[in-house]
Amino acid sequence: EPEVTQTPSHQVTQMGQEVILRCVPISNHLYFYWYRQILGQKVEFLVSFYNNEISEKSEIFDDQFSVERPDGSNFTLKIRSTKLEDSAMYFCASSADVAGEQFFGPGTRLTVL
Amino acid sequence: GENVEQHPSTLSVQEGDSAVIKCTYSDSASNYFPWYKQELGKGPQLIIDIRSNVGEKKDQRIAVTLNKTAKHFSLHITETQPEDSAVYFCAASRRNNNDMRFGAGTRLTVKP
Repeated sequence: EPEVTQTPSHQVTQMGQEVILRCVPISNHLYFYWYRQILGQKVEFLVSFYNNEISEKSEIFDDQFSVERPDGSNFTLKIRSTKLEDSAMYFCASSADVAGEQFFGPGTRLTVL
Repeated sequence: GENVEQHPSTLSVQEGDSAVIKCTYSDSASNYFPWYKQELGKGPQLIIDIRSNVGEKKDQRIAVTLNKTAKHFSLHITETQPEDSAVYFCAASRRNNNDMRFGAGTRLTVKP
């Protein structure tokens, strides 16, 4: 069964460093999303992406964040200068169409020291 | 923006009993209401969803009801089994999947 994959599973970084979280969506999907979940809290929408453009972004997704689809398979989330409060689980998701089921990856746990 | 409230935060039931989780939302323009199950170490997995043109949807032991007037929707799990134990999240969005807002989650424990 096709699935969304994410790497790395755990990333530890120093405050102020840049990190890139990687996702491989399901191959025939066209819509891509990033969410984050701070430990013990709700899942929060960050951004949606379609046709090489951001479709929607939340108030969390500020200038420190960017997304990219550098090739036909990867979808990345970059945090330019990490802060302690960026520590969270980051989930990538994809869907075949805008109204379709979103399939979530297993997440990347980001720890900012 | 949309705000989704979910109750209870924890729920413990005996195997075979029913479990009900309730959510309210604030944005009357929201039209898509999915429910996700999250097991330890995994991402959320869609278990059922409902759109604003229907009031109830059922899939085997799982059902969801929607009251658009009151802006609340509920998840019902009947004949619970230990493998139903997980964290369940409700969510709401307008314009289908974009900018989906999640509830805080309910940790369901089904005791054998």
